[in-house]
Amino acid sequence: AQRVTQPEKLLSVFKGAPVELKCNYSYSGSPELFWYVQYSRQRLQLLLRHISRESIKGFTADLNKGETSFHLKKPFAQEEDSAMYYCALGDSWGKLQFGAGTQVVVTP
Amino acid sequence: GAVVSQHPSWVICKSGTSVKIECRSLDFQATTMFWYRQFPKQSLMLMATSNEGSKATYEQGVEKDKFLINHASLTLSTLTVTSAHPEDSSFYICSARIRAMETQYFGPGTRLLVL
Repeated sequence: AQRVTQPEKLLSVFKGAPVELKCNYSYSGSPELFWYVQYSRQRLQLLLRHISRESIKGFTADLNKGETSFHLKKPFAQEEDSAMYYCALGDSWGKLQFGAGTQVVVTP
Repeated sequence: GAVVSQHPSWVICKSGTSVKIECRSLDFQATTMFWYRQFPKQSLMLMATSNEGSKATYEQGVEKDKFLINHASLTLSTLTVTSAHPEDSSFYICSARIRAMETQYFGPGTRLLVL
């Protein structure tokens, strides 16, 4: 069955500290993975997708098919990174299944 | 570019009435639009996929007679919650994409409260 797991509901980090949001998935086909971010009172927006392999706002994520993971990392967290982060799995039809989300709070 | 709007942003209705929510792609033509529902403190759950000019495809467990979806043009999809009940109260979000396997752009969501 298709599944996306984000084990952490809340992640609190200090400004300047590294942050890593975990995402594991299960999917029988060739997965397409995404990270979406939702800032307070704003709509959901794409942060990055695995096929583009780019860094956005200092965030990176590597697809590890062996561990079925797509963890999101940033070496130095900023206060403006405080938001809700969702990992999502796209199927062959382009439909998205979202994880439960991780609330990140960056404190000064 | 790639802006998606939703109207209304919030609505309160009485139990038993129907409510229509619009999703528009403002600066692009969307061949496919998706409708999600998000309950408080929960993730987004896909309800249905709407392709322009064809019937919507509903996810398992979603009643198609209760959640009527119409995608009459490449820039507009509507979700009508028929005979709404308090348990239908939720945050409804749409997204739109230009072509298959491309990025989905999300609307701001519509908060529905059924009294």
